[in-house]
Amino acid sequence: EVQLLESGGGLVQPGGSRRLSCAASGFAFNTYAMGWGRQAPGKGLEWISDISDSGDTTYYADSVKGRFTISRDNSKNTLYLQMNSLRDEDTALYFCAKKGCSRTRCYTNCWGQGTLVTVSS
Amino acid sequence: DIVMTQSPDSLAVSLGERATINCKSSQSVLDSSSNKNFLAWYRQKPGQPPKLLIYWASTREYGVPDRFSGSGSGTYFTLTISSLQAEDVAVYYCHQYYSTPHTFGQGTKVEI
Repeated sequence: EVQLLESGGGLVQPGGSRRLSCAASGFAFNTYAMGWGRQAPGKGLEWISDISDSGDTTYYADSVKGRFTISRDNSKNTLYLQMNSLRDEDTALYFCAKKGCSRTRCYTNCWGQGTLVTVSS
Repeated sequence: DIVMTQSPDSLAVSLGERATINCKSSQSVLDSSSNKNFLAWYRQKPGQPPKLLIYWASTREYGVPDRFSGSGSGTYFTLTISSLQAEDVAVYYCHQYYSTPHTFGQGTKVEI
């Protein structure tokens, strides 16, 4: 069974940083692209970033480009999202996402339960 | 950016009746080389993450009941629930993965 377990959420001040992790299990992690999405309280879904199976290709939404960095450690079956220069509007539930393919231009076929990041002073 | 627009924003359907949700993209999401539409549908129940229902516009995900079906091509797509069940009360999203940023529709809330 595919499992995605996010961690690292919490309360952070505006301008601060946070690193999210996603521990993956139940599938061959190094053969699938992965990504992150988020959902602000009471709002819809927003795609944030994708990374290819090998980690050599990454994409970002304009809203986070230059502030967030996606990475993965295939030896640890773990996906990361480094978030810097956080803003109030980054407050959201952050989901780890597994793609159905090795490349990023693919549908997401599994989402984690999410980890809540609250940006507030 | 490709803008995804769903209609309606919400709908109320009786148990056992058909529910139809539309999704329009501002640009075509049909890849001419593969002849595939890069369009997926998700269901999100309250307090839960999204669940994939349909991908490539019309391919049902493994384990998804056959009352769910997807159709359409290019810029216009439809999700149909042929016989609404109580567990289908949720918000439904269309999603294009044709080009970055991979955008979602605003969601359609389905109620009984």
